[in-house]
Amino acid sequence: EVQLVESGGGLVRPGGSLRLSCAASGFKFSSYWMHWVRQAPGKGLVWVSRINTDGSSATYADSVKGRFTISRDNAKNTLYLQMSRLRADDTAVYYCARVGIGARPLDYWGQGAQVTVSS
Amino acid sequence: VLTQSPGTLSLSPGERATLSCRASQSVTSNYLAWYQQKPGQAPRLLIYGASTRATGISDRFSGSGSGTDFTLTISRLEPEDSAVYYCQQYGSSPWTFGQGTKVEIK
Repeated sequence: EVQLVESGGGLVRPGGSLRLSCAASGFKFSSYWMHWVRQAPGKGLVWVSRINTDGSSATYADSVKGRFTISRDNAKNTLYLQMSRLRADDTAVYYCARVGIGARPLDYWGQGAQVTVSS
Repeated sequence: VLTQSPGTLSLSPGERATLSCRASQSVTSNYLAWYQQKPGQAPRLLIYGASTRATGISDRFSGSGSGTDFTLTISRLEPEDSAVYYCQQYGSSPWTFGQGTKVEIK
């Protein structure tokens, strides 16, 4: 069974840093592109970042470029999102999601990690 | 930009729901997906490639359209279909989502 489990969320002050992790199981992690998507309270889904299978290529939304870094450890079957210089508008539930094989979108999602940026 | 309409749809069980997603420019290769999200849950993939149902999705859900206009149809609404539905284009970077349509069951 495919499982994605996020961890590392919490309350952080503006300007602070936080690292989210996404532990993958039930599939060959190293064969799949992975994404992060966030959802602010009461709002819609917003794409954040993506990374290719070996971690050599990453793309970011303009709103997080230069502040967030996506990475992966295929030996540990884990995806990361390092977030720095956090702002109040980064407050959201952060989901990791897997890109399906064969021109498919995000076919499996984690349960989400809450990140709250507040003083 | 993906624009979904209506914002909210309120229908009775057994009725048909028609949700619209309009793109500001043609979606590459019709790479258009639909997701369902219930309160407190992660999104679930329903449709990809505009019209292909994802694994395990009921045949009450169907997608259609091409280019800039896409539709998600839910036939014979059931109480469990109460959720927010999002369209997403994944044909060009950055991938983008519509703002969502809330389906309420009376």
